[in-house]
Amino acid sequence: AQSVAQPEDQVNVAEGNPLTVKCTYSVSGNPYLFWYVQYPNRGLQFLLKYITGDNLVKGSYGFEAEFNKSQTSFHLKKPSALVSDSALYFCAVRSSGYSTLTFGKGTMLLVSP
Amino acid sequence: EAGVAQSPRYKIIEKRQSVAFWCNPISGHATLYWYQQILGQGPKLLIQFQNNGVVDDSQLPKDRFSAERLKGVDSTLKIQPAKLEDSAVYLCASSHPRREGYSYNEQFFGPGTRLTVL
Repeated sequence: AQSVAQPEDQVNVAEGNPLTVKCTYSVSGNPYLFWYVQYPNRGLQFLLKYITGDNLVKGSYGFEAEFNKSQTSFHLKKPSALVSDSALYFCAVRSSGYSTLTFGKGTMLLVSP
Repeated sequence: EAGVAQSPRYKIIEKRQSVAFWCNPISGHATLYWYQQILGQGPKLLIQFQNNGVVDDSQLPKDRFSAERLKGVDSTLKIQPAKLEDSAVYLCASSHPRREGYSYNEQFFGPGTRLTVL
């Protein structure tokens, strides 16, 4: 079985400050990890993924995520938040031998001006 | 490149009625997924197709939900009869299964259909 935990329902940050959205996972075998963003009334958009290699992954819109195998975490980060980053963020995982993605419940990011 | 198309965008029905959703994936994408996203939760996979064959439907409530992808391109998801707890956004996604090897699984999502069951 595979699962994802996003411990924060909401993250509040001021524009220009760094942001972190947390994600931990549980999976058998090697994890493939993903972050998606969802804007109101729109489908999910892919941000970045970790498959193998460098633990720091860079993605769209200046976001990055760090894979930490010992802590089974894949936190999403951005050095300087924008108001336009306000959205719902989903972490997802699948194992290397299984094609189905399992999503977390999502974290609402609110960036204040 | 055109994205994943879904229709209708919104649907309101009464319980015990039937409803159908349509999805047209990105051209050339062999894999198609239907997800159910209940308010406050992450998307949950209902069914996954590879071309016109079912890969995974373990979480599809088969007593009331059905899906088909007869020609391996567009797909329909049907609920008959609907229950109150079926109120959710139904997302369709597609992916190219063999780009960068099998590990590549970036899924492209459509805008979703918001279903309200009264």
